[in-house]
Amino acid sequence: NAGVTQTPKFQVLKTGQSMTLQCAQDMNHNSMYWYRQDPGMGLRLIYYSASEGTTDKGEVPNGYNVSRLNKREFSLRLESAAPSQTSVYFCASSLLRRETQYFGPGTRLLVL
Amino acid sequence: AQTVTQSQPEMSVQEAETVTLSCTYDTSESDYYLFWYKQPPSRQMILVIRQEAYKQQNATENRFSVNFQKAAKSFSLKISDSQLGDAAMYFCAYSPGNQFYFGTGTSLTVIP
Repeated sequence: NAGVTQTPKFQVLKTGQSMTLQCAQDMNHNSMYWYRQDPGMGLRLIYYSASEGTTDKGEVPNGYNVSRLNKREFSLRLESAAPSQTSVYFCASSLLRRETQYFGPGTRLLVL
Repeated sequence: AQTVTQSQPEMSVQEAETVTLSCTYDTSESDYYLFWYKQPPSRQMILVIRQEAYKQQNATENRFSVNFQKAAKSFSLKISDSQLGDAAMYFCAYSPGNQFYFGTGTSLTVIP
């Protein structure tokens, strides 16, 4: 039982490049989330998926897109990376909305 | 706007002593959940304790307990018998529904 997994662990991009961050959970959770964590700002919600087939914007969605591929997987895509997107990205899942979230180990992204 | 405020960026405590971390939140909702998460240097987010707003009794998990004051919108975390392994960033979080809102964190140092 791996919980929530994220790939890659670390990535360096050049401005304008695109990439997809992958997230998967094996806990049969309904809800999944993407956050970014910046120094001094805590975690901010980018997008979430309350259930399979639905996605909604969070607090800071600009510059990102998401796909809830199936119940297990929720990917985050940067179409044209910018230095302001340098951050640590966390994926999380919960059985139901408002319930305890379980987090992946995070992805460090550096955009040059 | 939904906001979570942690007014103590840094705290320190002597090993075996007790420390209290503060958290206040702003909401017009009556039904919501509150959480404290711990983030050690490994960066993994770990749930410490959870409180449902409809419950008047304060949640307790071993050495961790909360003081939930709904009218004051206050949710503090008390760590008793502090241990070296308690050193970490602590984040308070609030969830009224689909979204989660995190505070900016309190860095806790445990002094041997």
